[in-house]
Amino acid sequence: ETGVTQSPTHLIKTRGQQVTLRCSSQSGHNTVSWYQQALGQGPQFIFQYYREEENGRGNFPPRFSGLQFPNYSSELNVNALELDDSALYLCASKPLVGGLSTDTQYFGPGTRLTVL
Amino acid sequence: ELKVEQNPLFLSMQEGKNYTIYCNYSTTSDRLYWYRQDPGKSLESLFVLLSNGAVKQEGRLMASLDTKARLSTLHITAAVHDLSATYFCAVGNYGGATNKLIFGTGTLLAVQP
Repeated sequence: ETGVTQSPTHLIKTRGQQVTLRCSSQSGHNTVSWYQQALGQGPQFIFQYYREEENGRGNFPPRFSGLQFPNYSSELNVNALELDDSALYLCASKPLVGGLSTDTQYFGPGTRLTVL
Repeated sequence: ELKVEQNPLFLSMQEGKNYTIYCNYSTTSDRLYWYRQDPGKSLESLFVLLSNGAVKQEGRLMASLDTKARLSTLHITAAVHDLSATYFCAVGNYGGATNKLIFGTGTLLAVQP
């Protein structure tokens, strides 16, 4: 049990549509990262949020955007969906132990997005 | 740009045998992670290695880190079928405040009875 949940589990969209994926962490997980994992590949870093601000981004276009909320939940929004956006989307957060951020990122179960 | 390479990409082994998965990375990093992923599932954290010479063991798995050689290994002892999964190494790339992980390509391990 990682304390990180994601919704929905699966999602099917068509090209050009917009999608919002959600992630919820436990209290105190103030850093959240989003990753895209295409079939047969390792996860690719999309971006990270810390205290509700984006503070790092991978090689993804601006149509990938995010939000982090004070209640430790976050969203990944993707506009103008393309076929290549079909992937497993994972969020990860770093819990605090004794008030200090741990070294391990814990991943949620993921959302499987299929773009037709 | 930091690159992480794993080999082999696919490993078929018999129960009871030993084998090692290798993870090479291209630039200096002080954090190396190993994750396991079962088909259709998320990533399960196995090990975090934080310093040169670090060795950690859990059950039949042992991970080590050589930061000078930029190499980590995941050694499997007396494999059992339950270890069948994809194993990823990941390097922490902490430019600025970002806790970015760069993942390797993964090693698909199939343990045959």
